[in-house]
Amino acid sequence: DAGVTQSPTHLIKTRGQQVTLRCSPKSGHDTVSWYQQALGQGPQFIFQYYEEEERQRGNFPDRFSGHQFPNYSSELNVNALLLGDSALYLCASSRWRTSSSGEQYFGPGTRLTVT
Amino acid sequence: QKEVEQDPGPLSVPEGAIVSLNCTYSNSAFQYFMWYRQYSRKGPELLMYTYSSGNKEDGRFTAQVDKSSKYISLFIRDSQPSDSATYLCAMKAPGANNLFFGTGTRLTVIP
Repeated sequence: DAGVTQSPTHLIKTRGQQVTLRCSPKSGHDTVSWYQQALGQGPQFIFQYYEEEERQRGNFPDRFSGHQFPNYSSELNVNALLLGDSALYLCASSRWRTSSSGEQYFGPGTRLTVT
Repeated sequence: QKEVEQDPGPLSVPEGAIVSLNCTYSNSAFQYFMWYRQYSRKGPELLMYTYSSGNKEDGRFTAQVDKSSKYISLFIRDSQPSDSATYLCAMKAPGANNLFFGTGTRLTVIP
């Protein structure tokens, strides 16, 4: 049973560029959440997707956008990259019908460095 | 004030010691409480999950929730070097889908 997978593992971008990160949820899961984890900090919620719609959003600017595909996989897009966007980006998957429990399973993350 | 506060440590203990990790929170709406373990440069791994107040035990791990004090704890018995990691507490309110995390406590278990 494959867990949550993310790609790429590492990425280096320049300020002002755009980046796309990808996530495949755990088998049987239909909901994907994205988190940003800065060095030495806990993950911060960006947004959550279910049925190809953004269901909830954290306190992140519109430069952060996402998409969910019919197979439940998801993309996170960040435009006009800033140095402060350098972080580990985590994808978490869950089942919508049990989402009230809060049990989310995380992938290994994509480490983004903006220079 | 942050919604979830966690002592970042670092915490170093000898092998076999009992470890106590703690978080406090300010939002009384939180009902679901989790502990994640995160190894260096890896994603968080769900360790323990608790609903509302009370204790939950799983092997060497015990999670406690005291909602009256807005305080949660994770105890690790007979700590092992393989327990060396960062431990993150997380919590969630009913009806919301996002988790609120502490900053994490870095634990080192010395052989």
